[in-house]
Formats: sequence, structure tokens, C-alpha cells
Amino acid sequence: GAVVSQHPSRVICKSGTSVKIECRSLDFQATTMFWYRQFPKQSLMLMATSNEGSKATYEQGVEKDKFLINHASLTLSTLTVTSAHPEDSSFYICSARKGGATQPQHFGDGTRLSIL
Amino acid sequence: AQKITQTQPGMFVQEKEAVTLDCTYDTSDQSYGLFWYKQPSSGEMIFLIYQGSYDEQNATEGRYSLNFQKARKSANLVISASQLGDSAMYFCAMREGQNNAGNMLTFGGGTRLMVKP
Repeated sequence: GAVVSQHPSRVICKSGTSVKIECRSLDFQATTMFWYRQFPKQSLMLMATSNEGSKATYEQGVEKDKFLINHASLTLSTLTVTSAHPEDSSFYICSARKGGATQPQHFGDGTRLSIL
Repeated sequence: AQKITQTQPGMFVQEKEAVTLDCTYDTSDQSYGLFWYKQPSSGEMIFLIYQGSYDEQNATEGRYSLNFQKARKSANLVISASQLGDSAMYFCAMREGQNNAGNMLTFGGGTRLMVKP
């Protein structure tokens, strides 16, 4: 099957810290990965589309300087929350698609970020 | 306008009974795909079933089936013989176009299913 690994699963840190979250496709190559944010009891909101070898495409309202995305290889995308503040506390989850358009996106297990 | 609408924020079902989770969608594309995901309390998103807009038959995957009514733009998920482990959030999602920008998914608001023993 298609496996997407996300690390770390849980982060608790002080306000002002920058936090990096990694998303890896373990058994397939993904030219495109996606980063979502999910608030408690709400749906997933797409933050950005991560493109291998080029700049990420951010959704409206998402600050690119706040949420830095790097897609350095076909199996790795990283999301860095810079100078995180309590309002950045959320569940962040990445996904990647293996194969053609009819294939589902496969999700990482998510990262629960808590900023004190 | 909402692209994906799930009108049931929460539902109960008796164990071993069947349950239908509603999903309606809005798109002007001729080619699109509909997905259902399950999110347990642990947070991971588990892919359940897929229906393509050109698929003539309703998709089935084990205890999951998708009641696809194209003219009504609905793609309801049917879970047969509910199990306690089915208790989770369920999200309906749509991918528009064959090769849209990144093939992003748009998610509905979700339905929390609770299975009673």
C-alpha cells in the first residue's frame, strides 16, 4: 500500500519557537504533497500544495512567511511554523497521492501542535 | 457556496445495523472524483472508498458502499453491519477535474458516527 509518514506526532513548545514537521512518502514518489490544518471538531482546511522542486502554492489567507514549505525531494516535504504563537496551535496533517487522478490521497498520522 | 455538504453533524447507529452518511456536492466539472475518509479519535485519515464521476456502478469496498446519484449530486456512504470500531468522524471529499492544480481535495464538514453496543 501507500504509506505516508509524518513526524513528529506531538509537539509542545513555547511561544516564539519555530517548529518543523516532516512528511515522507515511504514507498512511492510524490511530486505533489498537501498540507492541511484541522481545528478541533472541524474539517480539514487545505493550507498549501507542496510542489517538488518549486515553490508551494498557498491557499488564500495562509501566510507563506509564517508557514514555510519545502519539498526537497520526491519523498519529503516539510512544513515549518515560524515563530509559533498560541493561535497556531492546531492539528496539521499532510497527504500525498500515489498514481493517477483516480487514486486517493494518503495521509500522514498528523501532528498535534500546542504552543504555550 | 459550499462545494461539499454533509448535513449530519452527528449520528447514532445500533451495532450490526446499517447506516447512511449523507454527502452532496457542487461542481460544474464533468470529470471529478468523490472520496470518503474515516478519522478516528487518534487523528489519522483512513481512505475508505472512491467513486469517479464516469463510473456507472456504485463503488463498493467490503462493508462500505457509495450510493452515487449523479443527477442529484449526492454520494452517500453506506456502512453495513456497523461495528463498534466504526465510531469515528467521516469526511466526504471531492477532487474536481481530471488534472486540476495539484488535484487538491475539498472536504465536507464531517459527520461523527457513534455506534451503540
